[in-house]
Amino acid sequence: DVKVTQSSRYLVKRTGEKVFLECVQDMDHENMFWYRQDPGLGLRLIYFSYDVKMKEKGDIPEGYSVSREKKERFSLILESASTNQTSMYLCASRTYGSGDEQYFGPGTRLTVT
Amino acid sequence: QKEVEQNSGPLSVPEGAIASLNCTYSDRVSQSFFWYRQYSGKSPELIMSIYSNGDKEDGRFTAQLNKASQYVSLLIRDSQPSDSATYLCAVNPSLGGSARQLTFGSGTQLTVLP
Repeated sequence: DVKVTQSSRYLVKRTGEKVFLECVQDMDHENMFWYRQDPGLGLRLIYFSYDVKMKEKGDIPEGYSVSREKKERFSLILESASTNQTSMYLCASRTYGSGDEQYFGPGTRLTVT
Repeated sequence: QKEVEQNSGPLSVPEGAIASLNCTYSDRVSQSFFWYRQYSGKSPELIMSIYSNGDKEDGRFTAQLNKASQYVSLLIRDSQPSDSATYLCAVNPSLGGSARQLTFGSGTQLTVLP
């Protein structure tokens, strides 16, 4: 059974705090992704990683950074949280080639006050 | 131009009917196609993947792919109230772009009326 887990389901942080969101997958997938989802805006890709220590910017990287030190773990960092980063954050992982299905974690609902 | 288009809905069908969800895509050489179901407040759940032209059936779900016409559809037979959710279409774009990330449609909201 495929598994993507995220460190928190709900998180409340204050403006200016540094926030870490962690994601772990057990499928040995090369690719990992961070999205945010807001009502009316759909899924928006923040960053993705195709290998350990490799990363690429997605559509909305501003205000975020990522870290991938191990294949199974991909972290999203909000250096200085702002209220406009209140959102649902979704991690996903995917392999290459045939059967390249993508699986999502349960999501983290982040509120920045 | 949006690369993956879906009718946003809402689409309402009576219980027991067939729900038909459609998706068109712009990249002609796309190879992999996926349908996700997302309940309110939850993350997307993969329900179907399809790679070849034609139909693929899994229980009450049938995915249909027509690469010549660049559309993929999802049929839900014997719709149940528990099928009420937003359905996301996703496409693996061509290798000319970044083949590592999927392109998602904005989703179709389905309501099955008891």
